[in-house]
Amino acid sequence: SQQGEEDPQALSIQEGENATMNCSYKTSINNLQWYRQNSGRGLVHLILIRSNEREKHSGRLRVTLDTSKKSSSLLITASRAADTASYFCATVFTGRRALTFGSGTRLQVQP
Amino acid sequence: EAQVTQNPRYLITVTGKKLTVTCSQNMNHEYMSWYRQDPGLGLRQIYYSMNVEVTDKGDVPEGYKVSRKEKRNFPLILESPSPNQTSLYFCASSPPGSGETQYFGPGTRLLVL
Repeated sequence: SQQGEEDPQALSIQEGENATMNCSYKTSINNLQWYRQNSGRGLVHLILIRSNEREKHSGRLRVTLDTSKKSSSLLITASRAADTASYFCATVFTGRRALTFGSGTRLQVQP
Repeated sequence: EAQVTQNPRYLITVTGKKLTVTCSQNMNHEYMSWYRQDPGLGLRQIYYSMNVEVTDKGDVPEGYKVSRKEKRNFPLILESPSPNQTSLYFCASSPPGSGETQYFGPGTRLLVL
């Protein structure tokens, strides 16, 4: 499978703590994206990082990409109860337009 | 408001009864796609369309059909639904040059008895 794989599958933290989720993939990519999904709802795009970038920030989000290790991480700083959701990484593989999603990390932020 | 809409949002049907799930976007996006989401499997692409009259199979196309007669619409057709097509379906669209960032509809929850 060419899917990205997220780790951990589930994460429970207290409000104010940081949350880190990791994603690994298998083949060369054009870019990697992170999406958020509230329970049973549509996915919302969070951030895109291109294969020639190493780090990107957006508000409380920080994404890193290590193409040599074929891995990415998403850091949410100072988490809030409203951050409770599932987070998916999605890759666009070289030569393919489609997004390929991992199975997601379920984040629970306790108030 | 820029959005992707899907109808119906919830559907219960029986095996073999043809159904269509509609998808429409008002952002003039060229690229549209259908995914299904199943527990533990993430989202898997069913079909996609690069533009009007241009469609292609994704990772799990068996049992599905699509058409793209207009830029804004991309219906998903299940000619003879089976219980293994019970799932949560998402339509998505993407503008050119976006790095394939996709905008998702709210989802259609389908139960095939």
